[in-house]
Amino acid sequence: AQSVSQHNHHVILSEAASLELGCNYSYGGTVNLFWYVQYPGQHLQLLLKYFSGDPLVKGIKGFEAEFIKSKFSFNLRKPSVQWSDTAEYFCAVKPLGAAGNKLTFGGGTRVLVKP
Amino acid sequence: DVKVTQSSRYLVKRTGEKVFLECVQDMDHENMFWYRQDPGLGLRLIYFSYDVKMKEKGDIPEGYSVSREKKERFSLILESASTNQTSMYLCASSLFAGRETQYFGPGTRLLVL
Repeated sequence: AQSVSQHNHHVILSEAASLELGCNYSYGGTVNLFWYVQYPGQHLQLLLKYFSGDPLVKGIKGFEAEFIKSKFSFNLRKPSVQWSDTAEYFCAVKPLGAAGNKLTFGGGTRVLVKP
Repeated sequence: DVKVTQSSRYLVKRTGEKVFLECVQDMDHENMFWYRQDPGLGLRLIYFSYDVKMKEKGDIPEGYSVSREKKERFSLILESASTNQTSMYLCASSLFAGRETQYFGPGTRLLVL
């Protein structure tokens, strides 16, 4: 079965610092890739997604992610974080052909941005 | 806007009780999902449904069952709640097509005593 690994469980950084969250998956075939975010007290919501084409994907709130097929990675980045980026971030992978649009999620990374 | 609602935000039950968690979506989505979210483990799929009366086991179905009698409603049932089922339960829905985004509800935090 495929798995998704997020390397950091907790990240603490100051405002204006750069953020990079790692995500690696184990599936060898073609995949769709997602980053979801859960702000405190809010629903899980989609940050960005990759299906095909340009491996550098831009999402909402200044986030971007780069798909590196050879490394089975889909790392999330933001050049300059704000206090409002404090949240938990989840990487998710859907192998093409997976029944019912099933996603496999990573364990999540809690990000705390200090003002 | 897609809206996925869950019947309760917080629930406290006793060991052995039968527990029903309800989820409703208003966007005519074919797919619906139940996940549990635990710290450090992310979201794990319990069951999903791709049509009325259809269901498929996810990665951790043991101790749970589901019901989908209407397209907009997907229920998760804990036949006999146990303390290890204390968790946050998230419902999601999506269109049938493979590229479609899953939309999540607010979650139900269940405590089993």
